[in-house]
Amino acid sequence: GQQLNQSPQSMFIQEGEDVSMNCTSSSIFNTWLWYKQDPGEGPVLLIALYKAGELTSNGRLTAQFGITRKDSFLNISASIPSDVGIYFCAGQLSGTSYGKLTFGQGTILTVHP
Amino acid sequence: EAQVTQNPRYLITVTGKKLTVTCSQNMNHEYMSWYRQDPGLGLRQIYYSMNVEVTDKGDVPEGYKVSRKEKRNFPLILESPSPNQTSLYFCASSLSSRGQSYEQYFGPGTRLTVT
Repeated sequence: GQQLNQSPQSMFIQEGEDVSMNCTSSSIFNTWLWYKQDPGEGPVLLIALYKAGELTSNGRLTAQFGITRKDSFLNISASIPSDVGIYFCAGQLSGTSYGKLTFGQGTILTVHP
Repeated sequence: EAQVTQNPRYLITVTGKKLTVTCSQNMNHEYMSWYRQDPGLGLRQIYYSMNVEVTDKGDVPEGYKVSRKEKRNFPLILESPSPNQTSLYFCASSLSSRGQSYEQYFGPGTRLTVT
């Protein structure tokens, strides 16, 4: 299936630092979504993006739908210990069924107090 | 409380022994989906359902079956499990699969081991 390339694979940061991660593809996406997964739980939606160029914030989180529709990034400002987890991007590929979602491989975030 | 439930949460079974993982949601959601999560591969979609009696293949449907006879339930069936189906499985639902209704609620996961 279509792959999303998510980077970095893992990050080790100090509390208070800003974090940036992104997803890229060679294909066009209609929707970009960002999820967070805490240990032992299912993913939880953080931000949904529906239009190219869209920039959306959710508290300390900001995500953008790339203008080419082939990429998206997520920024976390002033990280705190509870930001620890796995962050996934996901997208609905243009030309495919609305129900079909493709996920990135995930970014493992570790925050040192 | 709005939720997606999966059963069982943990299952160890042997090759070839048919099993079903149940998924139920209480939010009257149209859309439901199954994913498997494997290290380094993220989540991969197995099957999804846009509504009752409407199902379609995701990226990795081989070896799995689903049914959607009622809106609230979307069971995942492994007719003849094999060790490569050892994985963490998630069920998810959302109000719709169209427009701005992609907020998917995920279940707690089912960890399956096939020996």
